[in-house]
Amino acid sequence: AQKITQTQPGMFVQEKEAVTLDCTYDTSDQSYGLFWYKQPSSGEMIFLIYQGSYDEQNATEGRYSLNFQKARKSANLVISASQLGDSAMYFCAMREIDFGNEKLTFGTGTRLTIIP
Amino acid sequence: NAGVTQTPKFQVLKTGQSMTLQCAQDMNHEYMSWYRQDPGMGLRLIHYSVGAGITDQGEVPNGYNVSRSTTEDFPLRLLSAAPSQTSVYFCASSYVRDRGNEQYFGPGTRLTVT
Repeated sequence: AQKITQTQPGMFVQEKEAVTLDCTYDTSDQSYGLFWYKQPSSGEMIFLIYQGSYDEQNATEGRYSLNFQKARKSANLVISASQLGDSAMYFCAMREIDFGNEKLTFGTGTRLTIIP
Repeated sequence: NAGVTQTPKFQVLKTGQSMTLQCAQDMNHEYMSWYRQDPGMGLRLIHYSVGAGITDQGEVPNGYNVSRSTTEDFPLRLLSAAPSQTSVYFCASSYVRDRGNEQYFGPGTRLTVT
């Protein structure tokens, strides 16, 4: 079974609109971390936001927020007021510690295109 | 701080050749890892290390070796390159034992095996 599922291979959004990128995850751990990374066409991986499994508040970082619904095992990224520079691949990832070993598992990504 | 550095940026190999992808970090991070990124498959973990002298396999370790003799360096060795190893390789590092620590990624190495 996929640990991280991103069901939207591609999205087109009008500039200035808000956009939600979906992410669901699968783990039996009680303690884990969820991350979102952005990968522009230049190829580097840029950290956006983090949510811990015990965090009661949804994480926010500027225009990014993470809609964390623990019971549904979802961790959707919300970008408010989208900009042309937001066009990129977006990856959801989960960090687990399994028998003392750390693992970060990525989803397959969503390609977001912002339309002027 | 230079962060995470990777060399080379691009490499073309013939089938059967061997080579080492270099990765170094200057942030004193205990945890280092290698990923490969293939179209439509996201990033997949190859090998990782939680400290000098300690390495372990990730999701797709076959065909790759690693070692961690120092905290700073974590080279990835391809023993006998195959076309299936054509990919973009990312090295990453972070502090360990804290799930909130982000991983810092290097710029990547684009490898083509012909």
